[in-house]
Amino acid sequence: SQQGEEDPQALSIQEGENATMNCSYKTSINNLQWYRQNSGRGLVHLILIRSNEREKHSGRLRVTLDTSKKSSSLLITASRAADTASYFCATDASGAQKLVFGQGTRLTINP
Amino acid sequence: GAGVSQSPSNKVTEKGKDVELRCDPISGHTALYWYRQRLGQGLEFLIYFQGNSAPDKSGLPSDRFSAERTGESVSTLTIQRTQQEDSAVYLCASSPLDWDWQSYNEQFFGPGTRLTVL
Repeated sequence: SQQGEEDPQALSIQEGENATMNCSYKTSINNLQWYRQNSGRGLVHLILIRSNEREKHSGRLRVTLDTSKKSSSLLITASRAADTASYFCATDASGAQKLVFGQGTRLTINP
Repeated sequence: GAGVSQSPSNKVTEKGKDVELRCDPISGHTALYWYRQRLGQGLEFLIYFQGNSAPDKSGLPSDRFSAERTGESVSTLTIQRTQQEDSAVYLCASSPLDWDWQSYNEQFFGPGTRLTVL
């Protein structure tokens, strides 16, 4: 079963607006990662946040982690058409040797 | 440098046939993963190789699925007696570090093999 669950499943916004995606998980984790996937092919790593971190920034990306609520959010600011993709969160459950991916959020940026 | 490569990029086969998918990880990466992604779905973990340790096969959906890895290099995923439900994109990823809860374990993905079983 999937541990990470993204919300919403699909999001459509205008270029220049901010996009926020959420991820919830069930068990304790060591870290949480966000990946992007274009055209149903290989995923690209965006950002990793460790369980002892609460917020992290990378360019136009901002990730938050609330371990008490077992949730994370990914914010993309000043969105661009090129940001159109599916976004997945992935968690590594403590003691487990694999990442568990959510179902993803399909983000569409309209020009 | 070269990324993770997979072959073939597309494979169409008839139900009941066996298929073999190949993954070449980034040189020096000790960890290798196989995932399956059905259309519009998330990634489903299949199997994980880490160095010389016994692979984690807990995600393989049936005994028709098997995978091998030669040392820390190429891996092959074999699906025997394919079924239509096996149609999906099969993704391979590699990671440079030993799995350690204190380590940064970003995964680098290949472009995938799109398998269609008729």
